[in-house]
Amino acid sequence: QSALTQPPSASGSPGQSVTVSCTGTSSDVGHYNYVSWYQHHPGKAPRLILYGVTERPSGVPDRFSGSKSGNTASLTVSGLQAEDEADYYCASYTGNINNLVVFGGGTKLTVL
Amino acid sequence: EVPLVESGGGLVKPGESLRLSCGTSGINFNNAWMTWVRQAPGKGLEWVGRIKDRSQGATVDYAAPVKGRFTISRDDSKTSVYLQMNSLKTEDTAVYFCTIGLCINNDCHWDDAFDIWGQGTMVTVSS
Repeated sequence: QSALTQPPSASGSPGQSVTVSCTGTSSDVGHYNYVSWYQHHPGKAPRLILYGVTERPSGVPDRFSGSKSGNTASLTVSGLQAEDEADYYCASYTGNINNLVVFGGGTKLTVL
Repeated sequence: EVPLVESGGGLVKPGESLRLSCGTSGINFNNAWMTWVRQAPGKGLEWVGRIKDRSQGATVDYAAPVKGRFTISRDDSKTSVYLQMNSLKTEDTAVYFCTIGLCINNDCHWDDAFDIWGQGTMVTVSS
């Protein structure tokens, strides 16, 4: 599997909503409801913010939400805050033992 | 207390070897499946491989680009996981993270939701 496709950048003003897409194939995103999203501030450890397409781990604000349609998953960040500025990565389980998990190339979210 | 701490990174020449370690604390290591993920400079995250727990035979799966060159192992007595990297190539240059899946009430997402991450250790392969 190739990397999932994400837009390289996205932006929004404080308080606005922004959506980041993540496009895979019928072998990964389209086949499994095992899409996860990670927030990464460079130099720090990545943070899991969504799993199972729509589920939030404990402690993640409900401003972060996820969805999926066909081979494309989406992350929506509502009520943008300055601290949301980070890199965001999607990932999908593939079931292929030669590449069990495929990640997206990442989206740099800028809060204007 | 940081649950996962990677170490062992450094600068090596192409063809050389390096062994990374990931020490853990405060987690149920014996039952955990441990995963390595890397991030090349300016690039996205890339799954490297995963080792299951001993009850599952400590089975390991690897990404195609590292299969045959990298070996993941674990020492439950030291609650640590290792990544032995041989025949290193320039394209292996990356920050290497160890990570563990999310567990909620014994429902564990070992391969599809990476909840705890280390800070990473940098590996540079250059002549």
